[in-house]
Amino acid sequence: AQSVTQLDSHVSVSEGTPVLLRCNYSSSYSPSLFWYVQHPNKGLQLLLKYTSAATLVKGINGFEAEFKKSETSFHLTKPSAHMSDAAEYFCVVSLYNAGNMLTFGGGTRLMVKP
Amino acid sequence: GAGVSQSPSNKVTEKGKDVELRCDPISGHTALYWYRQRLGQGLEFLIYFQGNSAPDKSGLPSDRFSAERTGESVSTLTIQRTQQEDSAVYLCASSLDAAGKSYEQYFGPGTRLTVT
Repeated sequence: AQSVTQLDSHVSVSEGTPVLLRCNYSSSYSPSLFWYVQHPNKGLQLLLKYTSAATLVKGINGFEAEFKKSETSFHLTKPSAHMSDAAEYFCVVSLYNAGNMLTFGGGTRLMVKP
Repeated sequence: GAGVSQSPSNKVTEKGKDVELRCDPISGHTALYWYRQRLGQGLEFLIYFQGNSAPDKSGLPSDRFSAERTGESVSTLTIQRTQQEDSAVYLCASSLDAAGKSYEQYFGPGTRLTVT
C-alpha cells in the first residue's frame, strides 16, 4: 500500500520569499514521486518528478524537490515566490508495479501576498 | 489532438439519472486512468486501462460506476442512478505504456458533475 500526507492544507507567503510545501509518503517499494500544480479552473500540470535518479529534482518555474528516503519526505521548495505561483499543489506517489496508479495527497493551497 | 480532452466540461443532472462522461486520450497512449476530485480534496483513483488487459477497477466506489474503453482510444465513464455524493470533478489521464516504468500522466481538463 502507498499513501501521501501533505502536512499543510494552506501555506501563505509574501512575494519574493521562499516557499516550502511539505510532503511525506509511505510505500512498500521504491516509489516514483511527483508534484502537480492546479491553477483555478485549469487542469493539473506536472511540476517535477522523481524516478530513482538524482535525489534533488528540478522542475518548471523554479521549483525543486528533494527525495529523502530516510525521512520518507519529498518537500517542494522555491527560493522566491511569485504571485503567479498561487495555486493548489499536490504531492503524488506511484508504483510501476501497481499500474502506475497515482495516489494523491490532500493538497496544499499556496497563497502569495503582494 | 494536442492533449487529453474530456466532454462535457460541465454536467448538471437530477438525482437518480444516469450520466456518461467521455475521455479522448493522447494518441499513442496505451494507459488511461479515471480519477475523481471532490471539492477541496485530492484526487481519488477510480479505474485504469492498460492496452487490451482487463481494467483495474479497484477504485470504483460502487457498482453504479462503470467504465469502458474501445481499444486504445476513447473511454466512457458511466454513473447510474446518480446521487448527490457523486458531485465532483471527474478527471481522465493518459500515459505511455505503464508496464515496468513510471511514465508521466497527462490530465484532461475534467468534467464537473453536479447532481441536484
